[in-house]
Amino acid sequence: AQRVTQPEKLLSVFKGAPVELKCNYSYSGSPELFWYVQYSRQRLQLLLRHISRESIKGFTADLNKGETSFHLKKPFAQEEDSAMYYCALRDAGNMLTFGGGTRLMVKP
Amino acid sequence: DGGITQSPKYLFRKEGQNVTLSCEQNLNHDAMYWYRQDPGQGLRLIYYSQIVNDFQKGDIAEGYSVSREKKESFPLTVTSAQKNPTAFYLCASSKTPGTDNSPLHFGNGTRLTVT
Repeated sequence: AQRVTQPEKLLSVFKGAPVELKCNYSYSGSPELFWYVQYSRQRLQLLLRHISRESIKGFTADLNKGETSFHLKKPFAQEEDSAMYYCALRDAGNMLTFGGGTRLMVKP
Repeated sequence: DGGITQSPKYLFRKEGQNVTLSCEQNLNHDAMYWYRQDPGQGLRLIYYSQIVNDFQKGDIAEGYSVSREKKESFPLTVTSAQKNPTAFYLCASSKTPGTDNSPLHFGNGTRLTVT
């Protein structure tokens, strides 16, 4: 069975500092990976997906199959980035498995 | 703010009673999902359905039941057999798998408290 691991439950950085939210996965097939974000008092929503290779709100994530990782990065954190971030993997059966989540706090 | 609607927002029940959580979507999505969100444990999949009249168990299906009689609706029943029912429940939907990567659209959730 697949597994998604986010080793940090809480990540605290200062505004303007680089941020990296770690995500590691285990899956025998070809993974489809996503990052979801939940801002305070808002619903969980998609941030980005690996196949699109896009940058959303300054965030990027690269799939590293050798290291089985999909870390989320942003060079300069902003206070409005404070939120709960979830890494997720979709398997061939369309089942989506989420990591435990990382709460990002960006301090002024 | 259409899309996917969960009701009610807060639900209180006494132990031993079954309770049904509603989830409706008007996105014409084929797939629907139920997750449970607990502090420190992220989201865990309870049940999912890829098509009407069909559904599969997720990682923590014990004590729960679902039905998918209509494309728009995927109600979740928390039965008295669920040992720790107090939690935040999230419903989600997605397009047919394989199309445009089919990201999930989430509802606002239902917080269930069982005493």
